[in-house]
Amino acid sequence: RKEVEQDPGPFNVPEGATVAFNCTYSNSASQSFFWYRQDCRKEPKLLMSVYSSGNEDGRFTAQLNRASQYISLLIRDSKLSDSATYLCVVNDMRFGAGTRLTVKP
Amino acid sequence: NAGVTQTPKFQVLKTGQSMTLQCAQDMNHNSMYWYRQDPGMGLRLIYYSASEGTTDKGEVPNGYNVSRLNKREFSLRLESAAPSQTSVYFCASSDRGYNTEAFFGQGTRLTVV
Repeated sequence: RKEVEQDPGPFNVPEGATVAFNCTYSNSASQSFFWYRQDCRKEPKLLMSVYSSGNEDGRFTAQLNRASQYISLLIRDSKLSDSATYLCVVNDMRFGAGTRLTVKP
Repeated sequence: NAGVTQTPKFQVLKTGQSMTLQCAQDMNHNSMYWYRQDPGMGLRLIYYSASEGTTDKGEVPNGYNVSRLNKREFSLRLESAAPSQTSVYFCASSDRGYNTEAFFGQGTRLTVV
């Protein structure tokens, strides 16, 4: 089993939709969790950290479920500009393969 | 406002050639990383340097060597390039290791023919 696994998608959603991604991890001792965004042929950039109690940043909500060993990212009211690949990162800078999101008009 | 700078941005090598990818950061970060990204594979950690003077292997170190020249610079060397090393290479840095935000360079697109 890979250390970090994501559904590769692609997720194709209409503008205004709500979409959620999950990322599972295998190391139960993992302590740090992040979501990064990567636009086509660009470098990844931090979207948000994931805190134990869950956290929100505008239309984005990140949650951690330690019991089931996954983190999630919820995007509400999707915009065309949200189209990108979303990468989860767990602990020692291990990246998931990424989930591709396309938001369509 | 440079952040993390990688050179070159593009490179084509013949099998067996060697080259060094350069990376420099101006944010006074302690930790630096080299990744490769292949379609459908996400980013895989090649080597990292937790602090100046230390380097450690990541997930896919075979065929690569690194040098942490000083706090700013972390280079990746391919001694004898193979077609399997065709990939996009990213350098990154972070302030206090794994638990803090990593900043990435723009990537080097390497093709080995």
